[in-house]
Amino acid sequence: NAGVTQTPKFQVLKTGQSMTLQCAQDMNHNSMYWYRQDPGMGLRLIYYSASEGTTDKGEVPNGYNVSRLNKREFSLRLESAAPSQTSVYFCASSEFRLANQPQHFGDGTRLSIL
Amino acid sequence: DQQVKQNSPSLSVQEGRISILNCDYTNSMFDYFLWYKKYPAEGPTFLISISSIKDKNEDGRFTVFLNKSAKHLSLHIVPSQPGDSAVYFCAASANNQGGKLIFGQGTELSVKP
Repeated sequence: NAGVTQTPKFQVLKTGQSMTLQCAQDMNHNSMYWYRQDPGMGLRLIYYSASEGTTDKGEVPNGYNVSRLNKREFSLRLESAAPSQTSVYFCASSEFRLANQPQHFGDGTRLSIL
Repeated sequence: DQQVKQNSPSLSVQEGRISILNCDYTNSMFDYFLWYKKYPAEGPTFLISISSIKDKNEDGRFTVFLNKSAKHLSLHIVPSQPGDSAVYFCAASANNQGGKLIFGQGTELSVKP
């Protein structure tokens, strides 16, 4: 039972490089999310996809783009990485985008930008 | 503006005693409150939730209390076990905001044998 799978688990980039973080879920969930976690800040929503074919900005979208490739996959792209984007990135999914729906998280991607 | 706050970064408790983790919020439109538990190098996992129309929800050793007038909720773990040592995040969501989760900063619980 894989749940939410994120790749890669670790990555080091140089400033200005681009990268795509991959996320896939096998729970047939409709909604998917990308968060970043920084020390002392909790998790902050970057982008979300309420359903296949739709994406919307979250709390901290600047410097990121997303693609909902199909119902299973939701990718996050950094076009020109900056040191401020050093963080742990979590992908999550839920059956629907409702307040009472717990989200299921992947194990994260640790990204360092030098 | 931090809508959900966990003011205690860490908490240390003896095994077998009660752990109380606190969370405050500012947005009266929140419909649901959720607690997530996170171990190092893993993603958060859902623990327990409570609707804004209730004041208590219990699941085994875990109980969440909601005080709407004070805009405060707490998670009680009784009895605490060493395996409960983790970071606990409080989160809130509102249906009129599409169910987006707003997280607190987290509290690191350490349960000592």
